Amino acid sequence: QQQVKQSPQSLIVQKGGISIINCAYENTAFDYFPWYQQFPGKGPALLIAIRPDVSEKKEGRFTISFNKSAKQFSLHIMDSQPGDSATYFCAASILTGGGNKLTFGTGTQLKVEL
Amino acid sequence: GAVVSQHPSWVICKSGTSVKIECRSLDFQATTMFWYRQFPKQSLMLMATSNEGSKATYEQGVEKDKFLINHASLTLSTLTVTSAHPEDSSFYICSGKGNIGYGYTFGSGTRLTVV
Repeated sequence: QQQVKQSPQSLIVQKGGISIINCAYENTAFDYFPWYQQFPGKGPALLIAIRPDVSEKKEGRFTISFNKSAKQFSLHIMDSQPGDSATYFCAASILTGGGNKLTFGTGTQLKVEL
Repeated sequence: GAVVSQHPSWVICKSGTSVKIECRSLDFQATTMFWYRQFPKQSLMLMATSNEGSKATYEQGVEKDKFLINHASLTLSTLTVTSAHPEDSSFYICSGKGNIGYGYTFGSGTRLTVV
């Protein structure tokens, strides 16, 4: 019930292309869905997050699409750049009375090639 | 934005010694601090959750006597790895969450190597 499944495990995209990473969850009590970017040797940094009352959120080149009925959400990186090469984690938590623990996906290693 | 300062960024210690890792929330009050460990090319594994002034809650399989967590103030939490062994070598990351807003702010991580 607490699992968050993430795919693909790795992704290679050409510069300027669109990177798409998908996540699926099982626990319908989750009410906060963030995406994190992590560079080697660093802690994760919040990219963008969404609550289940909206289907899409966009911040710059990053967009979250959320499908509540399918229990899926995805990250789209538009105009991907070599500097976007990093590991991306989706996560989910129960913010309201749920202890606030983040459940992480398994991660996606993104490489953006020139 | 919210910042969590984590120190040290890396540490090498001898087997059998103890190591303390500090996390400070610089511009917010971290009512809850989460501690993770991460192995190479793997996801973050939650070790424990601590609320300020309370005993930490450890995840299943995490030895509470080995990984001592203190969260005595709203701006400081520490993780002490006691009697460290080579298998404790890992990347340890803290994450603070305050009552205001939804965000979880992560520290920059500590690379622990036990030799």
